[in-house]
Amino acid sequence: SQQGEEDPQALSIQEGENATMNCSYKTSINNLQWYRQNSGRGLVHLILIRSNEREKHSGRLRVTLDTSKKSSSLLITASRAADTASYFCATVLTTDSWGKLQFGAGTQVVVTP
Amino acid sequence: KAGVTQTPRYLIKTRGQQVTLSCSPISGHRSVSWYQQTPGQGLQFLFEYFSETQRNKGNFPGRFSGRQFSNSRSEMNVSTLELGDSALYLCASKPPASNYEQYFGPGTRLTVT
Repeated sequence: SQQGEEDPQALSIQEGENATMNCSYKTSINNLQWYRQNSGRGLVHLILIRSNEREKHSGRLRVTLDTSKKSSSLLITASRAADTASYFCATVLTTDSWGKLQFGAGTQVVVTP
Repeated sequence: KAGVTQTPRYLIKTRGQQVTLSCSPISGHRSVSWYQQTPGQGLQFLFEYFSETQRNKGNFPGRFSGRQFSNSRSEMNVSTLELGDSALYLCASKPPASNYEQYFGPGTRLTVT
């Protein structure tokens, strides 16, 4: 079973709108990361948030982490057609090596012009 | 710096054959991880290598094996291929420091017929 569960599974929005997706996980983590994947290609790292951080920003991205609820959210502001992709959260557990990521099922985002 | 490279990009094999996939990490990255992505199971961790040693292994049968060379390049091998091994195989490398993101290659698309 996967460590992370993502919600929603799919999201369809128009350019300029914000997109929010959520990720929940089950056990203690060292960090949580968000990745983007375009059409079955390699994953692109978006942002990493450490377990002692609550919020992080990178450009149009905002990530929050609530370790008491074991959940994270990714907000993409002012979305563009180029943001159309699948988004995955991934965790590094405290019981695992740093190179082992456990992925959620992903959120498929479609941004229409 | 050049990114993570994977060869070959596409591969078609027959059931029962074996296959070897190659991954060259970013220069200076000593940790290499492998993942399998399928529509049904999503992204699953296969193994992680660091300084030629397997540091972690996912829940895959013994037909899946890997190794890492002294220049940090890594290979994974799948013997006695099954139809269910058809997948996108992704390799990722990360910097030596612990709490950092992974950089993914474009993947090898394996089709087993």
